[in-house]
Amino acid sequence: GAGVSQSPRYKVAKRGQDVALRCDPISGHVSLFWYQQALGQGPEFLTYFQNEAQLDKSGLPSDRFFAERPEGSVSTLKIQRTQQEDSAVYLCASSDYWGINQPQHFGDGTRLSIL
Amino acid sequence: AQSVSQHNHHVILSEAASLELGCNYSYGGTVNLFWYVQYPGQHLQLLLKYFSGDPLVKGIKGFEAEFIKSKFSFNLRKPSVQWSDTAEYFCALVVGDDKIIFGKGTRLHILP
Repeated sequence: GAGVSQSPRYKVAKRGQDVALRCDPISGHVSLFWYQQALGQGPEFLTYFQNEAQLDKSGLPSDRFFAERPEGSVSTLKIQRTQQEDSAVYLCASSDYWGINQPQHFGDGTRLSIL
Repeated sequence: AQSVSQHNHHVILSEAASLELGCNYSYGGTVNLFWYVQYPGQHLQLLLKYFSGDPLVKGIKGFEAEFIKSKFSFNLRKPSVQWSDTAEYFCALVVGDDKIIFGKGTRLHILP
């Protein structure tokens, strides 16, 4: 079956621009997670949704980062006024279980480069 | 603060060698632990998980991991590796209901 789909796969933006990254989770999965993975590092948790409710956004690095999942399926991670330190791979994962304490299915990620 | 440490950043082995990748965590309470693997060009996928019960956990492709509470460790093992095991391996710790922490990963390269 179809896995977690993320788009675009690659995004290049100039410093100061806004970007939007999309995640299509596996159909029917209630939980959706966003991670930031810098070069040579493991994924770092950003935020987490159960259906349309954003239950945890403690990992978002600043108020320039905003995530939404208005209908409980597709999610968008938006970064405003991008900075060079935002360059990373952004991973989306979904789970058909409630809670963060269950195995997650990951997408291929969006590689964001800020010039 | 809670953390996950993977001591070996890059491991090179020959086929048929035995493998042990270290994972240590810092947290004094109940934990749930995962190993994820990322094969070249693919997305992260679950290798195995520990929630409770038998501390020796078996996963896919002949991998296993042992949870040793006294050592705060969850090392990944495989008795005989194959070239197809070349990948990056991540250990992850879940704390409570709302926090997941990944290690920095170990790149494993198997020589044919």
